Amino acid sequence: GAVVSQHPSRVICKSGTSVKIECRSLDFQATTMFWYRQFPKQSLMLMATSNEGSKATYEQGVEKDKFLINHASLTLSTLTVASAHPEDSSFYICSASSRTGGNEKLFFGSGTQLSVL
Amino acid sequence: ILNVEQSPQSLHVQEGDSTNFTCSFPSSNFYALHWYRWETAKSPEALFVMTLNGDEKKKGRISATLNTKEGYSYLYIKGSQPEDSATYLCALDNYGQNFVFGPGTRLSVLP
Repeated sequence: GAVVSQHPSRVICKSGTSVKIECRSLDFQATTMFWYRQFPKQSLMLMATSNEGSKATYEQGVEKDKFLINHASLTLSTLTVASAHPEDSSFYICSASSRTGGNEKLFFGSGTQLSVL
Repeated sequence: ILNVEQSPQSLHVQEGDSTNFTCSFPSSNFYALHWYRWETAKSPEALFVMTLNGDEKKKGRISATLNTKEGYSYLYIKGSQPEDSATYLCALDNYGQNFVFGPGTRLSVLP
């Protein structure tokens, strides 16, 4: 089945550091990728929808200057947390949609745990 | 490597039928299990977060149960409606270290 690779799996950094998270679709082309944030034992919260070659669409309340999303190719989307602060500490996960034979499926990365000191 | 399975892969039911499907996961060191409803071109909609063995949660016509000792969760839909047609995803929350999704069960409710 389709695989979405997300790296790194864990980041510990100092306040003020920018952190880049990559999401790659390994064996399919993903025109659309999604970025989520998740707090312990809570549900995923959609942050933005990323379409290849165009600007990401951000959900209400998500700062686009803080969470920079780039979807430069059909297999790679990146999320950069600019000048991270302790309140940005969270679990970030990506997903990519794949359409085959008229059916669309959603595949998830394994997530990135960000801890900002 | 954690493995989350869902069955069946797809399901077709008639409007008004009740249905259920299964999410299986490793039973050791359980933390939390999430159920989502996903429609094409939309982001997943959170249904339930299950944490305790024996948990039973309900949201309208949809309910879910959890058995952490044997490693499974059931999702039930009572009196299925065409608008219930979607892919239902479960995800094992591994102490916030990673999040492992099952492949989903695609439900089609025929009018």
